[in-house]
Amino acid sequence: DGGITQSPKYLFRKEGQNVTLSCEQNLNHDAMYWYRQDPGQGLRLIYYSQIVNDFQKGDIAEGYSVSREKKESFPLTVTSAQKNPTAFYLCASKESSGQLNYGYTFGSGTRLTVV
Amino acid sequence: QKEVEQNSGPLSVPEGAIASLNCTYSDRGSQSFFWYRQYSGKSPELIMSIYSNGDKEDGRFTAQLNKASQYVSLLIRDSQPSDSATYLCAGVGGGSNYKLTFGKGTLLTVNP
Repeated sequence: DGGITQSPKYLFRKEGQNVTLSCEQNLNHDAMYWYRQDPGQGLRLIYYSQIVNDFQKGDIAEGYSVSREKKESFPLTVTSAQKNPTAFYLCASKESSGQLNYGYTFGSGTRLTVV
Repeated sequence: QKEVEQNSGPLSVPEGAIASLNCTYSDRGSQSFFWYRQYSGKSPELIMSIYSNGDKEDGRFTAQLNKASQYVSLLIRDSQPSDSATYLCAGVGGGSNYKLTFGKGTLLTVNP
């Protein structure tokens, strides 16, 4: 079955440590997105990519980095510069960045906790 | 800053009633809108999309869009306890970069 796979489901980070969240899709979607969700805050856009080898910053990119070397993969690294990384991280994809009436398909999320 | 605002809730309705969820948006260039349902601890699930003024019905769900008033709503008829979840409104703005802006969500509880 086609879908988006995020791993791990739960991740614990020590202070000063970089961690990478995986996002893989087999939907042949062009566009991929990373959102962060905090309680009462809704979803906030971190980074997005509309094509391989290209990505743009979202609203809260500071302390995060991404790469898009393959169409299927869009990993997110949470660096030590992100001072409050505890949150629920959601990866999403969309079939074609030009189609306005298609919504996202979301992965199951990664819950990151600083210990 | 392009914003999507939702009535903060929480909203509580009895089983079988109509639940009404509302959303306003600031970007007049926004062209399409989406309603997602999110159960606690889970990822959002797309339930409705709308991009033309008027109503769009799908089963017990009706989405309404009024671009002049910059207003989007979701009606859930015959509400069931399984509809209890947070509902997220999202819009895609004008411009060449497709990205959704989400509201903070409204928590709906349907009481048996």
